[in-house]
Amino acid sequence: AAGVIQSPRHLIKEKRETATLKCYPIPRHDTVYWYQQGPGQDPQFLISFYEKMQSDKGSIPDRFSAQQFSDYHSELNMSSLELGDSALYFCASSPRLAPLDDSSYNEQFFGPGTRLTVL
Amino acid sequence: KQEVTQIPAALSVPEGENLVLNCSFTDSAIYNLQWFRQDPGKGLTSLLLIQSSQREQTSGRLNASLDKSSGRSTLYIAASQPGDSATYLCAVSRSGGGADGLTFGKGTHLIIQP
Repeated sequence: AAGVIQSPRHLIKEKRETATLKCYPIPRHDTVYWYQQGPGQDPQFLISFYEKMQSDKGSIPDRFSAQQFSDYHSELNMSSLELGDSALYFCASSPRLAPLDDSSYNEQFFGPGTRLTVL
Repeated sequence: KQEVTQIPAALSVPEGENLVLNCSFTDSAIYNLQWFRQDPGKGLTSLLLIQSSQREQTSGRLNASLDKSSGRSTLYIAASQPGDSATYLCAVSRSGGGADGLTFGKGTHLIIQP
């Protein structure tokens, strides 16, 4: 079965540089989420999009921005990178909103992650 | 602010044992609860999703229960195998549904000894 695709899988940047992470959701999934997982930490929710509009916002720094495109893929743009931004960045997708009696409603499926290292 | 706690933080048991992982959350106004598995340096694999209106879900050797009013969930693993070794994460989605982000616990690091 198709899964969430993230690119690149690994990225090395210098401080103050910019980075763009890409996420391709599972086919027919129209909701995308971004999470950040620091070393030894649990994943922290950053931002989500439904039908190309921002839906929920978590602890996303002002230096970061994201968007969802017409084909439902999403990009996370990170500027003025800091050492503390080194982390695994996960994208997740969930299926088209379903009736409330659908037991799989809003189940999130995660991609393999992008490991960002800031030097 | 929602807080999710998982107990124990680490667990090591011999192969074949049945075991229970615990998850508690402070705000009972959740929409659903998901259990994930994460191998070192890898992505998260969804194991079970329980809607707030449900009491339990089962998948193979896994059974997850939810007591929303008391803010608790348990993941039961039957007949554990070395391949079950991983970190297990519990996460909740706040009420309102839609595209809400998940709040995670810090996980239970599980080792199954051959």
